[in-house]
Amino acid sequence: GNSVTQMEGPVTLSEEAFLTINCTYTATGYPSLFWYVQYPGEGLQLLLKATKADDKGSNKGFEATYRKETTSFHLEKGSVQVSDSAVYFCALGFSNTGKLIFGQGTTLQVKP
Amino acid sequence: EAGVVQSPRYKIIEKKQPVAFWCNPISGHNTLYWYRQNLGQGPELLIRYENEEAVDDSQLPKDRFSAERLKGVDSTLKIQPAELGDSAVYLCASSARQETQYFGPGTRLLVL
Repeated sequence: GNSVTQMEGPVTLSEEAFLTINCTYTATGYPSLFWYVQYPGEGLQLLLKATKADDKGSNKGFEATYRKETTSFHLEKGSVQVSDSAVYFCALGFSNTGKLIFGQGTTLQVKP
Repeated sequence: EAGVVQSPRYKIIEKKQPVAFWCNPISGHNTLYWYRQNLGQGPELLIRYENEEAVDDSQLPKDRFSAERLKGVDSTLKIQPAELGDSAVYLCASSARQETQYFGPGTRLLVL
């Protein structure tokens, strides 16, 4: 079946540190891949997406590359800020069904 | 442009009581989704509507959950009777066809 696995959290970093949150997936077919972010008390917001292999999604300094050979979509940011503290969800989806399958989420805490 | 609107934001009820959640999607979005997010987990799809038709309700526990989307705009999700295990955040999302999904802030339900 289709599934998404994310690295366990929480991830605690100091401000300006480099961030990597690992995400791997299992899927039949050719899904699109997404990163959503959930700030405290808010709904999920789309952070970035990639629709095919080797595509790179980027937004607000975050980026992730769709790696079909390793079935991965790791999230990276070169210099995190305190305001990046949130829960990050990796997800896969198929355009024909519209269904999103989420990972369990990774909490990021950035300390000043 | 207004985002997805949900109400109420919080609800506390006794077990065996009924509860209803309301969602108003982004204007023009014909696809509407209800998700349930348990604590520390990613959202899981309950039901998806294309206009007023429920096209995927395979994950909806139909013995106690029901949903409707009259006129293909607003939607209501109901639980009757509620059980302790229904405590979760209920998220509504919408999209134009099966493009990017935009999420509302969610309704946090606590069943006592």
